[in-house]
Amino acid sequence: AQKVTQAQTEISVVEKEDVTLDCVYETRDTTYYLFWYKQPPSGELVFLIRRNSFDEQNEISGRYSWNFQKSTSSFNFTITASQVVDSAVYFCALGDLNDYKLSFGAGTTVTVRA
Amino acid sequence: NAGVTQTPKFQVLKTGQSMTLQCAQDMNHEYMSWYRQDPGMGLRLIHYSVGAGITDQGEVPNGYNVSRSTTEDFPLRLLSAAPSQTSVYFCATRGVGTGELFFGEGSRLTVL
Repeated sequence: AQKVTQAQTEISVVEKEDVTLDCVYETRDTTYYLFWYKQPPSGELVFLIRRNSFDEQNEISGRYSWNFQKSTSSFNFTITASQVVDSAVYFCALGDLNDYKLSFGAGTTVTVRA
Repeated sequence: NAGVTQTPKFQVLKTGQSMTLQCAQDMNHEYMSWYRQDPGMGLRLIHYSVGAGITDQGEVPNGYNVSRSTTEDFPLRLLSAAPSQTSVYFCATRGVGTGELFFGEGSRLTVL
């Protein structure tokens, strides 16, 4: 069975602080996919990144960066120099080989205060 | 370009009533799915379809029916609504070769 754990329920930071969101996953598959989605207060779900299990390179996109460590089954997400617009619920998700079933974590609510 | 369109956006039902949540996409994606979002539980897969005429169950299928007669439409039916089905429902599609799910705006359902 696949499982995604986001242990942090809520994180509150002051603008310009860095914030790291933890994601730990469980799967028996040797090939799988990991995702991060953002849900701003308006409610829509926004795709941020997809990572294949055989590609352990870290990735940076602007102020966003992702640290994939297969050895610890973690796929953590860091927002550098946070801004108020980063306030949202962030979901980590795990997909099977065929990507037909995506398992989501419970989400982490990030609040960035001005 | 509408993408994924869900209707209605809000609905209030009484226990035992039936209703259908509509999902339509204009992206020509074969894969469509329904998720429900509940506080503290993330999104959970209800049903999914990999093409017209093909559907399968997800993690929480009980109390829901689906069908896929066309590529564009994937309705979710509640035959006898229960308060436990109060939730926000998302329809999502996925194209070939990408991992990205494209979500509709969500439908908030309240069952009294």
